[in-house]
Amino acid sequence: SAVISQKPSRDICQRGTSLTIQCQVDSQVTMMFWYRQQPGQSLTLIATANQGSEATYESGFVIDKFPISRPNLTFSTLTVSNMSPEDSSIYLCSGGAANTEAFFGQGTRLTVV
Amino acid sequence: GENVEQHPSTLSVQEGDSAVIKCTYSDSASNYFPWYKQELGKGPQLIIDIRSNVGEKKDQRIAVTLNKTAKHFSLHITETQPEDSAVYFCAASYYGGSNYKLTFGKGTLLTVNP
Repeated sequence: SAVISQKPSRDICQRGTSLTIQCQVDSQVTMMFWYRQQPGQSLTLIATANQGSEATYESGFVIDKFPISRPNLTFSTLTVSNMSPEDSSIYLCSGGAANTEAFFGQGTRLTVV
Repeated sequence: GENVEQHPSTLSVQEGDSAVIKCTYSDSASNYFPWYKQELGKGPQLIIDIRSNVGEKKDQRIAVTLNKTAKHFSLHITETQPEDSAVYFCAASYYGGSNYKLTFGKGTLLTVNP
């Protein structure tokens, strides 16, 4: 199984600022995904991080708000831009390959004040 | 797109009893069904999964069953222990192409009372 590390594990940010979350996988994975999890809720897919090309965003999520990078097969970043209190949530990175399991990082708990 | 319904939303059992969580999915093309356990403050952890060419899979106290015709699958935990207390999520996906993504159910909060 892959081990996925996320940084930071938690942060408190001022509204209007941006936060970049890093995700590192200990082995090469085909797929990397970013999810948002509101407190007590299920996981909602934000986007698929594509290596060397623009991420594929789900309905309701846009690149200007959540820019994503994936420079190689083991690393990705998610930026939450121009934050508001509604962006307070847990952000989770996931990695896997076609026909294999998907594993999750520990998550980044973001509070916007 | 895929839609996954999960029931119940909360489940409380006595230690040693069995727990069953049920999920239904809408897309008949889905062929991979994982279950995740999420403890407080942690990311989801894969505990068991099943592919559509199998009807049942067991791993010690945990089992998953799949009924493709009815499009539902269930998680069974026997001899529950307090450390089984967590939120459990089912998910559905299509594996086989160059892209896949998981659709999650809303989760079940399982409480095992000592």
